[in-house]
Amino acid sequence: GNSVTQMEGPVTLSEEAFLTINCTYTATGYPSLFWYVQYPGEGLQLLLKATKADDKGSNKGFEATYRKETTSFHLEKGSVQVSDSAVYFCALSLIKAAGNKLTFGGGTRVLVKP
Amino acid sequence: GAVVSQHPSRVICKSGTSVKIECRSLDFQATTMFWYRQFPKQSLMLMATSNEGSKATYEQGVEKDKFLINHASLTLSTLTVTSAHPEDSSFYICSAKGGLAPDTQYFGPGTRLTVL
Repeated sequence: GNSVTQMEGPVTLSEEAFLTINCTYTATGYPSLFWYVQYPGEGLQLLLKATKADDKGSNKGFEATYRKETTSFHLEKGSVQVSDSAVYFCALSLIKAAGNKLTFGGGTRVLVKP
Repeated sequence: GAVVSQHPSRVICKSGTSVKIECRSLDFQATTMFWYRQFPKQSLMLMATSNEGSKATYEQGVEKDKFLINHASLTLSTLTVTSAHPEDSSFYICSAKGGLAPDTQYFGPGTRLTVL
């Protein structure tokens, strides 16, 4: 079956620190990969995505590269801000007739302190 | 754009009662809506996929008579938890697909259900 594994949190950082959240996946096919972010009290928002090997998704200073050889899609940001405090979800999707079902990782809570 | 709302945000009910949760796409037409369940510190688990005007497709292990889904229009889907029990207490999240980015799911803020 399909699954996504991401590092457990919480991850606590100081402002301007480097952030990495590891994400690996298993899939019966060739998935699209996503990172979603959930800010306190809000819904999940798409942060970035990549649809094929070696693609790099980027948004708001975050980046993740689709690595097929290591089945990974690690999220990175070079200098975090307090406003980046949120829960981050890695997810995959296989295009099917039923339409883009998402399989999520468990989420990683990130807390950035000033 | 692409805003999805849920109502209510929190609900507390007695065991044996039914609870209805609404999911609305506010500024786009959602061809497909998804319902997820999330336990504390766990993944979002897909419960069902619903297309406007047709019956929902439930994931394996999800009781369709327990979790009734209706997708009556392109902007509204409802999830009714029937005869709720304490083990149904959870965070329920919907998402909608459509609009300008039809391959992207837009998520609602979730509904916290507590069954006493």
